[in-house]
Amino acid sequence: GAVVSQHPSWVICKSGTSVKIECRSLDFQATTMFWYRQFPKQSLMLMATSNEGSKATYEQGVEKDKFLINHASLTLSTLTVTSAHPEDSSFYICSARELPGETQYFGPGTRLLVL
Amino acid sequence: AQRVTQPEKLLSVFKGAPVELKCNYSYSGSPELFWYVQYSRQRLQLLLRHISRESIKGFTADLNKGETSFHLKKPFAQEEDSAMYYCALSGRGGNTPLVFGKGTRLSVIA
Repeated sequence: GAVVSQHPSWVICKSGTSVKIECRSLDFQATTMFWYRQFPKQSLMLMATSNEGSKATYEQGVEKDKFLINHASLTLSTLTVTSAHPEDSSFYICSARELPGETQYFGPGTRLLVL
Repeated sequence: AQRVTQPEKLLSVFKGAPVELKCNYSYSGSPELFWYVQYSRQRLQLLLRHISRESIKGFTADLNKGETSFHLKKPFAQEEDSAMYYCALSGRGGNTPLVFGKGTRLSVIA
């Protein structure tokens, strides 16, 4: 099956710094990638939809300037948490889809802890 | 508005007992429904989707448009079925993302 990787798997950073998380589709070209956030014991909340070569579409309540998303190629999307604060600590999960209407494959997630 | 409701946070059953994980949805249109499973310390993975009408690991789910439900069933639970199960929907085709329910943790007791 299709594989999606994320790097890093976990990161600890100081408040005020920026953190970049990479999401890669390893054996397929993803026209669309999605970024989710999951708090402990809660469901996945969609943050944004990222289409290759175009601007990401953010969900209501998600700050565009806070969570910068870049989908520069068909196999890579990045999420940058800018000026991170402790409340940004969470589990960030990406998923990728080769074509519209097809199955979404999920990455293993990145755990972010902001001190 | 799109919404997926999983009323049970936790469901405990004995090994060999039948399992039913409930999922109800609201969507203006014809959605596509999915069940995803997340085993301990593993990534989320697709279990089944309603358009495939398949049985995976003994699980089945039937879309009931009248009741707007997509309950997940298995006749005989196994210990390895213990996991977090998420029901999700998306619009048909296009680039619509998945909307997830809050999930149900299934615990199968030996």
